[in-house]
Amino acid sequence: GEDVEQSLFLSVREGDSSVINCTYTDSSSTYLYWYKQEPGAGLQLLTYIFSNMDMKQDQRLTVLLNKKDKHLSLRIADTQTGDSAIYFCAESPMDTGRRALTFGSGTRLQVQP
Amino acid sequence: ETGVTQTPRHLVMGMTNKKSLKCEQHLGHNAMYWYKQSAKKPLELMFVYSLEERVENNSVPSRFSPECPNSSHLFLHLHTLQPEDSALYLCASSQGQGRNYGYTFGSGTRLTVV
Repeated sequence: GEDVEQSLFLSVREGDSSVINCTYTDSSSTYLYWYKQEPGAGLQLLTYIFSNMDMKQDQRLTVLLNKKDKHLSLRIADTQTGDSAIYFCAESPMDTGRRALTFGSGTRLQVQP
Repeated sequence: ETGVTQTPRHLVMGMTNKKSLKCEQHLGHNAMYWYKQSAKKPLELMFVYSLEERVENNSVPSRFSPECPNSSHLFLHLHTLQPEDSALYLCASSQGQGRNYGYTFGSGTRLTVV
């Protein structure tokens, strides 16, 4: 079945870059997403990339997609303490009968001052 | 009020109780979802409603019963739950399958079954 995998934890120092990685198995995925969850809150959409793109940049966020390896990454430049949160990768199915996004387990990003 | 609102924020219930979780969206979306979030596990899709019709049910035990009376409201009725059902229950909505803009999530209901 469909599967999305992420490492569970990442710790960086304030001002450094963070790179959060994700792998997925569904080769028919059309859209891939990054969501952020702060404590006590729901998931907030950060950015997404369409499967025919290799890269998307949005201010401090850069998404890289390697469709051949089914690998997605999120790079956060100049990481701040406010970036501490759980980051979820998700993929959207093609017309496979699945109607909803599949999420990974989330990567907890800890930013140290 | 805008966005997706879930009530209550916290719920403690015994295994013999019956309770309901409520989700409300004011975004004009036509699809709504229930997800279960447990520690260190992927978000588990429970139910999908599109145009008030249930279109996906991911082998969820019958002690969870969803209800979607209209496109703005979604309920999750709970009865005779087990301690392993303790989790954060997240509601989300989208326009269509939400491909271009993703989902909008509520803040969740933290459920503890004792």
